[in-house]
Amino acid sequence: QVQLQESGPGLVKASQTLSLTCTVSGDSITRGGIYWSWIRHHPGKGLDWIGFISHRGTTSYNPSLESLVNISVDTSKSQFSLKLRSVTAADTAVYYCARLVVVAGAHNWFDSWGQGILVTVSS
Amino acid sequence: SYVLTQPPSVSVAPGQTARITCGGDNIGSKSVHWYQQRPGQAPVVVVNNDDDRPSGIPERFSGSNSGNTATLTISRVEAGDEADYSCQVWDTTQNHPVFGGGTKLTVL
Repeated sequence: QVQLQESGPGLVKASQTLSLTCTVSGDSITRGGIYWSWIRHHPGKGLDWIGFISHRGTTSYNPSLESLVNISVDTSKSQFSLKLRSVTAADTAVYYCARLVVVAGAHNWFDSWGQGILVTVSS
Repeated sequence: SYVLTQPPSVSVAPGQTARITCGGDNIGSKSVHWYQQRPGQAPVVVVNNDDDRPSGIPERFSGSNSGNTATLTISRVEAGDEADYSCQVWDTTQNHPVFGGGTKLTVL
């Protein structure tokens, strides 16, 4: 059974870069038909998709964050990472990594999630 | 971009049936997935592809999708069902996922 685990600082200063890593175990990060994703959850609000990456490095980002986000993958370590630049208080949230299953016909859904990591942006 | 609309909250007494809606333009033409998020826990999919239940999800959870509304139905609601529920579809125009705003289910 696949397991995902987020890691990184829980506190980031405003205007700096948020950096998180997700370690995948129990499944091959190079398996086809999977996009490795980042999603965040602001307190009291809905889930907010940030972006995803394939094992080949193909990426897609939420248009509202695209200019500030970079997602990369290190298949040798079975990890993928998130960098979010120029953070503000509005970026305070719980950040999740998740496995997106890609199925023909756009039946794509997130079947496994990490436990999440709270990141607070301080002024 | 594609927008999904959910009611902020739904309340139901134990043993009753809860229905949580997810509205979107012609959502019946899309596959809808539902996630349960208990406080302090990661989301878990309870229904995928409109009406499929992943292994381990009780039969009390079911889904339907037609026209402009998808519905998650929870029968014989229990205290442990209290959580936030979010719907998700794939925006085929922009080729990325979209989430609804989430609905907080309160068990009275």
